[in-house]
Amino acid sequence: AQKVTQAQTEISVVEKEDVTLDCVYETRDTTYYLFWYKQPPSGELVFLIRRNSFDEQNEISGRYSWNFQKSTSSFNFTITASQVVDSAVYFCALTPMDSSYKLIFGSGTRLLVRP
Amino acid sequence: DSGVTQTPKHLITATGQRVTLRCSPRSGDLSVYWYQQSLDQGLQFLIQYYNGEERAKGNILERFSAQQFPDLHSELNLSSLELGDSALYFCASSVGRGQKDTEAFFGQGTRLTVV
Repeated sequence: AQKVTQAQTEISVVEKEDVTLDCVYETRDTTYYLFWYKQPPSGELVFLIRRNSFDEQNEISGRYSWNFQKSTSSFNFTITASQVVDSAVYFCALTPMDSSYKLIFGSGTRLLVRP
Repeated sequence: DSGVTQTPKHLITATGQRVTLRCSPRSGDLSVYWYQQSLDQGLQFLIQYYNGEERAKGNILERFSAQQFPDLHSELNLSSLELGDSALYFCASSVGRGQKDTEAFFGQGTRLTVV
């Protein structure tokens, strides 16, 4: 069975702090994709990153970075120098490589960045 | 703007009623996905259509049904509504060709409140 676990329900930090959101996944597939989405208070789902299971290189995009470790089945997301606008719920998701490519979401981590 | 349009944005209805949620995918996308986001179940996959045909089914209740029309727009029909059906319903679309399916774009969602 496929499953995504985000153990941190809520994190609160002060602006400019670094914060890491954890994501652990389970799958028997050898090929899969992992994602992070952001859901701001307005409610829409904003795509942040997609990672192929064959590509374990870490990725950095501005203040965002992702650490993919296949050995520990983790795909963690770090925000450097957090800002109030980063306050949102962040979802990690997995796509099994069956014919549907449906997304299996974790329960989300609510991040509150205080000024 | 993802290019996926969902209407209506908000819907309030009474228990026992039936509603229809509409989704217009991005131009050229053949695949449409429906997801439900509720407080107790989180974000979960309901159903997928590809070029008018049902491709995958998730935890969709028998009271719910969907279809995709020749112009590729999709409708999600929810009947005999219960209080627990109150949720945010997302539509997503993708090209629908192999691994390109992993690039799904989400609409703004329809917030359904059953009273």
